[in-house]
Amino acid sequence: DAGVIQSPRHEVTEMGQEVTLRCKPISGHDYLFWYRQTMMRGLELLIYFNNNVPIDDSGMPEDRFSAKMPNASFSTLKIQPSEPRDSAVYFCASSRGQGWNEKLFFGSGTQLSVL
Amino acid sequence: DQQVKQNSPSLSVQEGRISILNCDYTNSMFDYFLWYKKYPAEGPTFLISISSIKDKNEDGRFTVFLNKSAKHLSLHIVPSQPGDSAVYFCAASAKSGGSNYKLTFGKGTLLTVNP
Repeated sequence: DAGVIQSPRHEVTEMGQEVTLRCKPISGHDYLFWYRQTMMRGLELLIYFNNNVPIDDSGMPEDRFSAKMPNASFSTLKIQPSEPRDSAVYFCASSRGQGWNEKLFFGSGTQLSVL
Repeated sequence: DQQVKQNSPSLSVQEGRISILNCDYTNSMFDYFLWYKKYPAEGPTFLISISSIKDKNEDGRFTVFLNKSAKHLSLHIVPSQPGDSAVYFCAASAKSGGSNYKLTFGKGTLLTVNP
């Protein structure tokens, strides 16, 4: 199993540009999560999907952020327009279920720098 | 409002000694606790977990202790090895609408094990 695959690994863009982050979850996992890691706030949950349907997007910072999951093997997180304060590491994770003892499997993350 | 707090941003120990990483939580609804380990340029990986019905769980060199009355858990690593140098995230799980569980992470503690 290849694990959770994220692309790109690094993204440098200028303020105002659109940024799209991509994720391929582990096959057979029904849940997909997008997290953001910053020094100030640690790992924050942005949004998660169950069977491709968004369940909880309460962590999405503002309307500039949007996420989609068109099928079971692909998800995107889009920021439009991007701002310097969006600079962070963005992680995608997946799990088989969301019971109380389910483990998350994380991708390697996308390091986003907005100049 | 941080519901899961790791008050020590960093910890340095000598190889062979014990490493103790601490975590406090405020939400009494949390009933399952996990530790994740993260190396640079990689995503977090699951390390060990504990249910609220237990007060100790051991896996090789790693032991997690839970004190529910104090809302405190700790991760002990004995003996510590240089390869244990990483960021350790404490996480807690609670029901969040329906039957789904939400995982809340702390900010992490950087452990450095010196040879």
